[in-house]
Amino acid sequence: AQTVTQSQPEMSVQEAETVTLSCTYDTSENNYYLFWYKQPPSRQMILVIRQEAYKQQNATENRFSVNFQKAAKSFSLKISDSQLGDTAMYFCAFGRNSGYALNFGKGTSLLVTP
Amino acid sequence: NAGVTQTPKFQVLKTGQSMTLQCAQDMNHEYMSWYRQDPGMGLRLIHYSVGAGITDQGEVPNGYNVSRSTTEDFPLRLLSAAPSQTSVYFCASSYSKVTRGVTEAFFGQGTRLTVV
Repeated sequence: AQTVTQSQPEMSVQEAETVTLSCTYDTSENNYYLFWYKQPPSRQMILVIRQEAYKQQNATENRFSVNFQKAAKSFSLKISDSQLGDTAMYFCAFGRNSGYALNFGKGTSLLVTP
Repeated sequence: NAGVTQTPKFQVLKTGQSMTLQCAQDMNHEYMSWYRQDPGMGLRLIHYSVGAGITDQGEVPNGYNVSRSTTEDFPLRLLSAAPSQTSVYFCASSYSKVTRGVTEAFFGQGTRLTVV
């Protein structure tokens, strides 16, 4: 089974600063999908960004970008110009090309302070 | 567009009781799945379905049953609730890319279940 590891249980960043959340995964497959989900206190799971493994270019969505290192099996999330509304739990997830559901990491709790 | 709808949002059960968590999606997604979220554990897959009439077990299936008679609905049944099943439950749906491979999952709002 694929495993997803988020090594930072908690992180803190000041408003307007940049923070990077780490994620590594284990797979023997060549084609797959990677995702970052945000879970604010409302409990809703919100897709932040996704990356398809066959694409070499790193995905970007406004203030959110990823550093996808396929050989190293690393998929970090960078949040630029952090805002108070970014305070949430962030989950890294892996989707197999031949699979039907996602494998999630244990999450990183991010606190953005004024 | 409702997306994925889960009911109820909160539930308290006594040990040994049974109940069904409802999940419906209106996006015509092939794939549906149930996860449980426990503190420090992330989301773990309970059961999933690749289409009407087809279900399979995930990582933590014991104590739960599912069925999928229609594309839209995927209920999760707790047969005899135990305190270890106290958790937040999420239903999700996704479409397959070129009939295989899961793309991003769309989640319901979750059900917080407490078993006393």
